[in-house]
Amino acid sequence: DQQVKQNSPSLSVQEGRISILNCDYTNSMFDYFLWYKKYPAEGPTFLISISSIKDKNEDGRFTVFLNKSAKHLSLHIVPSQPGDSAVYFCAASENTGNQFYFGTGTSLTVIP
Amino acid sequence: NAGVMQNPRHLVRRRGQEARLRCSPMKGHSHVYWYRQLPEEGLKFMVYLQKENIIDESGMPKERFSAEFPKEGPSILRIQQVVRGDSAAYFCASSPVTEETQYFGPGTRLLVL
Repeated sequence: DQQVKQNSPSLSVQEGRISILNCDYTNSMFDYFLWYKKYPAEGPTFLISISSIKDKNEDGRFTVFLNKSAKHLSLHIVPSQPGDSAVYFCAASENTGNQFYFGTGTSLTVIP
Repeated sequence: NAGVMQNPRHLVRRRGQEARLRCSPMKGHSHVYWYRQLPEEGLKFMVYLQKENIIDESGMPKERFSAEFPKEGPSILRIQQVVRGDSAAYFCASSPVTEETQYFGPGTRLLVL
């Protein structure tokens, strides 16, 4: 049962434009969300997080938005750069648990 | 501060052999998590350990898989009598007590022939 879903397996964006990666979840008990970035043959690298008490968190070019009523979060990258090309995973956890549930990833390609 | 270390990075085993995957958490981190990524899938939680204790093993297959995090030394994920379906990337992550964010190692890619 996939509790965290990333329905777009891939996304292509022109350099300098905005990249929007989407993530949906089904478990209303999730209260902490993260985005990871992964290059081939490497482990996931933490990018940005948000707790359920917020609806937005910003860090440089990266902003994560959380819509709890829709059980939806998104990652905005602006402006997109070729080095952002990677697979992006969203992950979620419950306050009482320690495991993260990961989506299947979205492969972002930023075209120079 | 070195990141999470995993070795070996690549491991090839024949069916029926044993695979041992090692994970050294970041300095100061006492929580270790193991995840598995099958081809074309996301990461799936396997087990969460603290020093000398298994806290949550709800994602571990019931047979052939075991994990430990001894008082001294790295965490070990052990797979006995490997089968082809065990071929995957196995990632270890660690976190300190005070943080929820998990930091991942580079992974061990297991190939079962």
